[in-house]
Amino acid sequence: RKEVEQDPGPFNVPEGATVAFNCTYSNSASQSFFWYRQDCRKEPKLLMSVYSSGNEDGRFTAQLNRASQYISLLIRDSKLSDSATYLCVVIVLTGGGNKLTFGTGTQLKVEL
Amino acid sequence: DTGVSQDPRHKITKRGQNVTFRCDPISEHNRLYWYRQTLGQGPEFLTYFQNEAQLEKSRLLSDRFSAERPKGSFSTLEIQRTEQGDSAMYLCASSLGPAAHTGELFFGEGSRLTVL
Repeated sequence: RKEVEQDPGPFNVPEGATVAFNCTYSNSASQSFFWYRQDCRKEPKLLMSVYSSGNEDGRFTAQLNRASQYISLLIRDSKLSDSATYLCVVIVLTGGGNKLTFGTGTQLKVEL
Repeated sequence: DTGVSQDPRHKITKRGQNVTFRCDPISEHNRLYWYRQTLGQGPEFLTYFQNEAQLEKSRLLSDRFSAERPKGSFSTLEIQRTEQGDSAMYLCASSLGPAAHTGELFFGEGSRLTVL
């Protein structure tokens, strides 16, 4: 089983739609959680942090469920510019420091 | 440009040859990471440095792979006796302080390796 699992998609949605992605992680010792965005042929960039209490940034809402070991990302009122791959990231504190593990990514295509 | 820079951006080599990639992190960042990414997959962790110390190394990093960060600034990733399965994008990232706090890694644009 992979440490971090995501539905690869693609999710094809019309502009203005609401779309949600889930990500599950296997290591119960995971400490911190984030969503990254990666545009085609570009490097990943941090989108937002994920907290148990939820985190909202404009049209984006991230949520963590520690008991079920999954995190989610909700995008409201999708824009064409939201088309990208969304990567779930889990951090485990190891003896050597921090190990950031990325999921496989979920591809989103927003269409007219 | 004060971001993470990687060199070369593209490398095509024949199977069995050695290749070396260089990464220059953001100057004040003391943590440096190497990842490998193939098409349709997320970045896979390879190794991690805090200053010049290599603190974590993935099982993916076989004996043919070696990474260094001799002065705690730039880093090199060398692949010896390349195989076709090594073809991938090699991404370098850096962070200021523990990534667990902010989760923010600053990635370079990557070095794409093609092994023929």
